[in-house]
Amino acid sequence: DTEVTQTPKHLVMGMTNKKSLKCEQHMGHRAMYWYKQKAKKPPELMFVYSYEKLSINESVPSRFSPECPNSSLLNLHLHALQPEDSALYLCASSQDAAVKTPLHFGNGTRLTVT
Amino acid sequence: GQNIDQPTEMTATEGAIVQINCTYQTSGFNGLFWYQQHAGEAPTFLSYNVLDGLEEKGRFSSFLSRSKGYSYLLLKELQMKDSASYLCAVSGTGGFKTIFGAGTRLFVKA
Repeated sequence: DTEVTQTPKHLVMGMTNKKSLKCEQHMGHRAMYWYKQKAKKPPELMFVYSYEKLSINESVPSRFSPECPNSSLLNLHLHALQPEDSALYLCASSQDAAVKTPLHFGNGTRLTVT
Repeated sequence: GQNIDQPTEMTATEGAIVQINCTYQTSGFNGLFWYQQHAGEAPTFLSYNVLDGLEEKGRFSSFLSRSKGYSYLLLKELQMKDSASYLCAVSGTGGFKTIFGAGTRLFVKA
């Protein structure tokens, strides 16, 4: 069982919909991440939160909006997505973003945009 | 620029040893990670190297040469369950960014 929990596991949404992806960890980690992964491609970094503050935004389009309500939760709000945004969205956490500790990944949300 | 190279695919026989190579060119270096990812699942951490040399962990070992920008993952006594993608990832300056290579798909045959 993964210690990083993501919901939902699967999501199908239209281009005009608004939806949110959720991620939760209770390991006391202070850094949380969103990655996007296309089939047979490596995970691509989208956002990094460190101590609940956004540290890195990898030039992600504004139709993706991250939110970190507290140290255990990370959300990704989706609005007006395009079909090419269909991918596996992975949440990860690590002990501290500035320390060389491994990422712990959730099982991901498989998103399909129709 | 940043670049991480790994072979796309490898095939090996059950019980054998396989070495998966990774070369990297990144802006800053704070360590190199290896992750295993089974199809449709999340990546899981295997190993971390920040100093030159070999790190051994059970059937898996990882080697790093910082001067050469080179690492390898060594898998011994291969099992069918080792069939997966193996991702080389480098932590850059400040440690905030972990950049992944494209991954090596390993097929273990009986």
